[in-house]
Amino acid sequence: GAVVSQHPSWVICKSGTSVKIECRSLDFQATTMFWYRQFPKQSLMLMATSNEGSKATYEQGVEKDKFLINHASLTLSTLTVTSAHPEDSSFYICSARVGEADTQYFGPGTRLTVL
Amino acid sequence: GQNIDQPTEMTATEGAIVQINCTYQTSGFNGLFWYQQHAGEAPTFLSYNVLYGLEVKGRFSSFLSRSKGYSYLLLKELQMKDSASYLCAALDSNYQLIWGAGTKLIIKP
Repeated sequence: GAVVSQHPSWVICKSGTSVKIECRSLDFQATTMFWYRQFPKQSLMLMATSNEGSKATYEQGVEKDKFLINHASLTLSTLTVTSAHPEDSSFYICSARVGEADTQYFGPGTRLTVL
Repeated sequence: GQNIDQPTEMTATEGAIVQINCTYQTSGFNGLFWYQQHAGEAPTFLSYNVLYGLEVKGRFSSFLSRSKGYSYLLLKELQMKDSASYLCAALDSNYQLIWGAGTKLIIKP
């Protein structure tokens, strides 16, 4: 149980284009989903927290207009990187949990390369 | 402020035992998690402690002392596949996970 999927697993795009990443909880309903970014050899960095049906809460320094998050259902959240630039190239990972004190389960991650 | 401290890197020998320590300072506390992250992959859940004591899961055990703000992850009978980063994370009073920077564990034959 507690499986989280992400799609796509990797994507290469041209600078200026937008990329959408999907995160799904496959066998549980996720009240809260999280989006992280991780640069090579660096720590996980929380970008935003999203609760189903409400606006995402973004961490300081993360541009909400650039990283659009939609948590439309209890099993699906999407992250759209708008007008992507090479500095947005990173490993994007989502996680999901049922309740506040529950374990966060991670998706396999999406590797984004912006040319 | 909130802070998680764990060693940056540790080295151990295949078949041996290693203990990775973690100290935390958070606003409130609702439990401590350990995750394993292999290079280039997402973290996977290892353990959760909220009460004092030791939780054993096969070769891995995790200990928590709330009064000392301290936890450790103990790995026994080390295998080469245990080479990974181990992330300590504490759940604060707002149910936000505060992450440590991770401990890179290198296993040598």
